[in-house]
Amino acid sequence: AQSVTQLDSHVSVSEGTPVLLRCNYSSSYSPSLFWYVQHPNKGLQLLLKYTSAATLVKGINGFEAEFKKSETSFHLTKPSAHMSDAAEYFCVVSGGGSNYKLTFGKGTLLTVNP
Amino acid sequence: NAGVTQTPKFQVLKTGQSMTLQCAQDMNHEYMSWYRQDPGMGLRLIHYSVGAGITDQGEVPNGYNVSRSTTEDFPLRLLSAAPSQTSVYFCASSYGTSGSHETQYFGPGTRLLVL
Repeated sequence: AQSVTQLDSHVSVSEGTPVLLRCNYSSSYSPSLFWYVQHPNKGLQLLLKYTSAATLVKGINGFEAEFKKSETSFHLTKPSAHMSDAAEYFCVVSGGGSNYKLTFGKGTLLTVNP
Repeated sequence: NAGVTQTPKFQVLKTGQSMTLQCAQDMNHEYMSWYRQDPGMGLRLIHYSVGAGITDQGEVPNGYNVSRSTTEDFPLRLLSAAPSQTSVYFCASSYGTSGSHETQYFGPGTRLLVL
């Protein structure tokens, strides 16, 4: 079985300050991990993914995430928030190996204040 | 490529009515799936397919049917709509089925309101 916990349902930051969105996972196998972003009334877009290569993963729009097996965490960060980053972010785990089914976290709403 | 397309974008149904949500992809992807998104719940898997003629249930399959007669299309059928099926529905596809690392590509969603 696999599960994802996003530790904050809502994060609010000021423009130009760092962003940290926290995610813990549970998986019986070596998982693949993803971060997706959803802007209001839009579909989901892949930000980045971890697939057992480098533990520090760089994604689009300046986001990156670090896979920490010992902590079962995959936190998403960005050094400087932009107004256009305001959206909902989903941490996602797949089962590993040939298990391609995705399990989503409940989402973190990021608000960016001017 | 159009990617993953979904129709309709928005639909209102009365309790007991049936309807089909359409999903199509032009990327020759083997794996397709349907999710529903409800506030505070993330996305939950309804049904999925690993290729034409092969489907299986996800986390919340009750009240929904699927079929996969072609690689391109994966329709989702609501047999008898209930207010609990009010949600936003997303279709997704990925290139392969042999690895969990495959990126899934999502359609724009269908908003369904059941009265």
